[in-house]
Amino acid sequence: KAGVTQTPRYLIKTRGQQVTLSCSPISGHRSVSWYQQTPGQGLQFLFEYFSETQRNKGNFPGRFSGRQFSNSRSEMNVSTLELGDSALYLCASSVSSYEQYFGPGTRLTVT
Amino acid sequence: QQQVKQSPQSLIVQKGGISIINCAYENTAFDYFPWYQQFPGKGPALLIAIRPDVSEKKEGRFTISFNKSAKQFSLHIMDSQPGDSATYFCAASRTGANNLFFGTGTRLTVIP
Repeated sequence: KAGVTQTPRYLIKTRGQQVTLSCSPISGHRSVSWYQQTPGQGLQFLFEYFSETQRNKGNFPGRFSGRQFSNSRSEMNVSTLELGDSALYLCASSVSSYEQYFGPGTRLTVT
Repeated sequence: QQQVKQSPQSLIVQKGGISIINCAYENTAFDYFPWYQQFPGKGPALLIAIRPDVSEKKEGRFTISFNKSAKQFSLHIMDSQPGDSATYFCAASRTGANNLFFGTGTRLTVIP
């Protein structure tokens, strides 16, 4: 079974721009969660989507948004990028709850 | 505040030795406690997980010990190998919420 895939793997953007990251979950998994990983703050939960609905949300500003499609693929969008948004963005999928399997991440650099 | 506290920050162990990483949590609503292993440039990989109805779970060389009354859990890696050198994260979540609260990570180095 193929794992979680994320595209692109690397991205460089300029402050003020917006960015969209994509995640394809493991086949059969309906839940997709997004996390931000930075050296200073560690791994932090952004939001979770299940059956196209946002089920949980972390403490991030409204510039961070996401959506899920009927095939369970998910995208997250960050608008008006700031230098502090530079991070590894990880997507994790699960059947419903508990066991989450992570993708390789998208490394975003904001200059 | 940090919902899950993890120690030590770094750990150096000789090949064949036992690596022990500890975590503590405050929220008694947490009922799922996984451990993840992350290599540089990779996403975290689920290693082993435990629910509070058992005090210990073993999978190969990896064992989770869970102390519900103390709100602590730990990962033991027996017969540590150089290939185990990675960063390990503990985490916690509660039923119905797929948001994991992660510890700050432990960088393990196993010396040949």
